[in-house]
Amino acid sequence: GAGVSQSPSNKVTEKGKDVELRCDPISGHTALYWYRQRLGQGLEFLIYFQGNSAPDKSGLPSDRFSAERTGESVSTLTIQRTQQEDSAVYLCASSNRGFYGEKLFFGSGTQLSVL
Amino acid sequence: AQKITQTQPGMFVQEKEAVTLDCTYDTSDPSYGLFWYKQPSSGEMIFLIYQGSYDQQNATEGRYSLNFQKARKSANLVISASQLGDSAMYFCAMRVNTNAGKSTFGDGTTLTVKP
Repeated sequence: GAGVSQSPSNKVTEKGKDVELRCDPISGHTALYWYRQRLGQGLEFLIYFQGNSAPDKSGLPSDRFSAERTGESVSTLTIQRTQQEDSAVYLCASSNRGFYGEKLFFGSGTQLSVL
Repeated sequence: AQKITQTQPGMFVQEKEAVTLDCTYDTSDPSYGLFWYKQPSSGEMIFLIYQGSYDQQNATEGRYSLNFQKARKSANLVISASQLGDSAMYFCAMRVNTNAGKSTFGDGTTLTVKP
């Protein structure tokens, strides 16, 4: 695709429900990243994929959070038993190979609201 | 561990004037990249400018320039001839060679351009 695509753009859910957030990176980009941004704050790293393996998942806040990636394509971030503190914008980004000098290409994010 | 510090939560500038947004960083890795991103109220993250740790010259991209002072570990963004459309949140970020999958972001600076 032309850019990083995320869906849904908005998700409202009830506390305790599971949610799945999807990210479709730029075609050919091997590196994919998930970040969380709470209102008015900076970006909080969650997980990094190189291909379909996750060398760094140190930012996942609890075992309720998990993510997977199919090959060098779509990634899904799953939050189980959602809590109100999970409410945030979840941003996905991709880059060509994961080299430190590469800029990130971001999607438009998924606004998650947990009631 | 890497750290980015942006000490200006909010800044105001008059249209057509220049403004400097501050960023200091901390890392023990000699190989790193520094990035600035813009986030308008619509929410998308837009890459502005990049500076590599081994670059001898300060980076420039149109009206954006990066004042890189390696010994002081600072990477300030200078926007010349401010425009109303420059009003946004600005984030400084860093990636290091030994942990390239994780970008570290500052808390951001909200820039408001006054007509």
